[in-house]
Amino acid sequence: SQQGEEDPQALSIQEGENATMNCSYKTSINNLQWYRQNSGRGLVHLILIRSNEREKHSGRLRVTLDTSKKSSSLLITASRAADTASYFCATDGNTGNQFYFGTGTSLTVIP
Amino acid sequence: DAGITQSPRYKITETGRQVTLMCHQTWSHSYMFWYRQDLGHGLRLIYYSAAADITDKGEVPDGYVVSRSKTENFPLTLESATRSQTSVYFCASSPTSYNEQFFGPGTRLTVL
Repeated sequence: SQQGEEDPQALSIQEGENATMNCSYKTSINNLQWYRQNSGRGLVHLILIRSNEREKHSGRLRVTLDTSKKSSSLLITASRAADTASYFCATDGNTGNQFYFGTGTSLTVIP
Repeated sequence: DAGITQSPRYKITETGRQVTLMCHQTWSHSYMFWYRQDLGHGLRLIYYSAAADITDKGEVPDGYVVSRSKTENFPLTLESATRSQTSVYFCASSPTSYNEQFFGPGTRLTVL
């Protein structure tokens, strides 16, 4: 399988703390994306990082990409209870027309 | 309403029955996707479509059929449902193959 694997599977933190999730993948990629899924809802796109980029920011989100290690991390700073959700990475496996999703990290932010 | 919608939201059926899940998007996105989400497997791509009348298999296409006669619709049919097809099904669309995907709310399908 070309899917990414998120680590940890579950994470519980206090409001205001930072949350870091990691994604490892197996094949070379063009793009890597992070998505959020609230319970019972569809996925929402957070950020896309291309293979020639090393870091990207969007609000309280920071994504890094290390293609030599085939890994990416998602950092959420100053977490809020509303950040409670599952987070998925998705890689295109260098195919350009399919994205492969990992099994996700379940984040719980305790108020 | 603008966006991407799926119907029905919940469906219970019996083994052997044919079931069609509907997906409709109003953005005129070229690409549309069908995923299934199962505990421990994340999302897995069933089929995708690059344009009307162009479809291709994803990771887990067996037991499913798709069609795309119009850009805005991408129905998924289970020709003879099996218990292993009990899952949550998500439709998504995207303007290109490498951009962000916009997901529908999902259809929870139970096959008894």
